[in-house]
Amino acid sequence: GAVVSQHPSRVICKSGTSVKIECRSLDFQATTMFWYRQFPKQSLMLMATSNEGSKATYEQGVEKDKFLINHASLTLSTLTVTSAHPEDSSFYICSAQGEHRLDEQFFGPGTRLTVL
Amino acid sequence: AQSVSQHNHHVILSEAASLELGCNYSYGGTVNLFWYVQYPGQHLQLLLKYFSGDPLVKGIKGFEAEFIKSKFSFNLRKPSVQWSDTAEYFCAVNARQAGTALIFGKGTTLSVSS
Repeated sequence: GAVVSQHPSRVICKSGTSVKIECRSLDFQATTMFWYRQFPKQSLMLMATSNEGSKATYEQGVEKDKFLINHASLTLSTLTVTSAHPEDSSFYICSAQGEHRLDEQFFGPGTRLTVL
Repeated sequence: AQSVSQHNHHVILSEAASLELGCNYSYGGTVNLFWYVQYPGQHLQLLLKYFSGDPLVKGIKGFEAEFIKSKFSFNLRKPSVQWSDTAEYFCAVNARQAGTALIFGKGTTLSVSS
């Protein structure tokens, strides 16, 4: 089956620093990748949709200058949390959709970000 | 706008009890429907999905769901739960076209006592 990985799985950083999270599709080409955010005991909230080679589309209320998304290749998308603050602490999950399965998304294992 | 509503926030059952988790969605077009499970400390796993055809779909671990178009519902069922089914369950929907994100319900926490 289609596998999506995320790195790192956990990261702890100081307030004001930037953190980069990678999302990779390991065995298929992901034409579209999605980034979600999940607060404890809550559902996944879509942050942005990115298509390879073009700018990401951000959901309302998500700051594009704070959450930088790059989808430079068909197997890699990155989310950079710039100038992180404690309120950015959350679980970040990516999913990927490929041309071979246009109607299904495959989720990564998530990245737990803790900002001190 | 699309939305997904899960009626039960927290369900507590004893082993062998039957389970039904409600899910209703709001969307004007053709949709794909999904149920995901998230075990404690683990990532999302797909339980089952409906795209078209038979409205009764069977998934992994003995779960099934029925799509009732007239009610905009996609309820999840299992005839006999096990302690290992303790987890968070999410209903999700997306439009049936490429590149559309999933919209998730708020989730239902299922606690099964042995």
